Amino acid sequence: GEDVEQSLFLSVREGDSSVINCTYTDSSSTYLYWYKQEPGAGLQLLTYIFSNMDMKQDQRLTVLLNKKDKHLSLRIADTQTGDSAIYFCAERGSSASKIIFGSGTRLSIRP
Amino acid sequence: AAGVIQSPRHLIKEKRETATLKCYPIPRHDTVYWYQQGPGQDPQFLISFYEKMQSDKGSIPDRFSAQQFSDYHSELNMSSLELGDSALYFCASSLSGTGGTDTQYFGPGTRLTVL
Repeated sequence: GEDVEQSLFLSVREGDSSVINCTYTDSSSTYLYWYKQEPGAGLQLLTYIFSNMDMKQDQRLTVLLNKKDKHLSLRIADTQTGDSAIYFCAERGSSASKIIFGSGTRLSIRP
Repeated sequence: AAGVIQSPRHLIKEKRETATLKCYPIPRHDTVYWYQQGPGQDPQFLISFYEKMQSDKGSIPDRFSAQQFSDYHSELNMSSLELGDSALYFCASSLSGTGGTDTQYFGPGTRLTVL
């Protein structure tokens, strides 16, 4: 079945890079997403990557996709306090419109 | 840029009551999705509509129903509310055929509390 897994917590020092990892099981996934959710707020789409790509960069964000290992990562360069949030990895299969979310990784920033 | 609008933002109901949540998609978007996020949980897909027809169905209880109207807005109707229905309900919208991404943009959510 479809499943998306992430580690629950990550703590980094301000200014360092954050790397959030995700694994998924659906080999038919066509799109993989990263969403950010701040406390009590909605889901903000950060970036997405098509399954035939292995890397996408957007300003401080770099997404790496290893389709063979079904592994997705989000790297945030120069992490700032405003990056504190829960980051959800999500995937969408080719035959469904729904998005399957991981459990979310809570990113906390140390001064 | 216009975003997905959801109303109300907060709703308090008692057990066995009914609730209606509304979603107004991004202009020109033709597909809407409903998700439920329980406390400390990841969002779970409920149902989606494309061009006013149900396109996919997830773990939506029989007590819930939804529809998409001719102006593409959608309503989620919830009856016989239970304490466990307390959650954040997200609506998302997308435009089909935009290079095949169908990227879903989420609204701010409606926080439903059932007492």
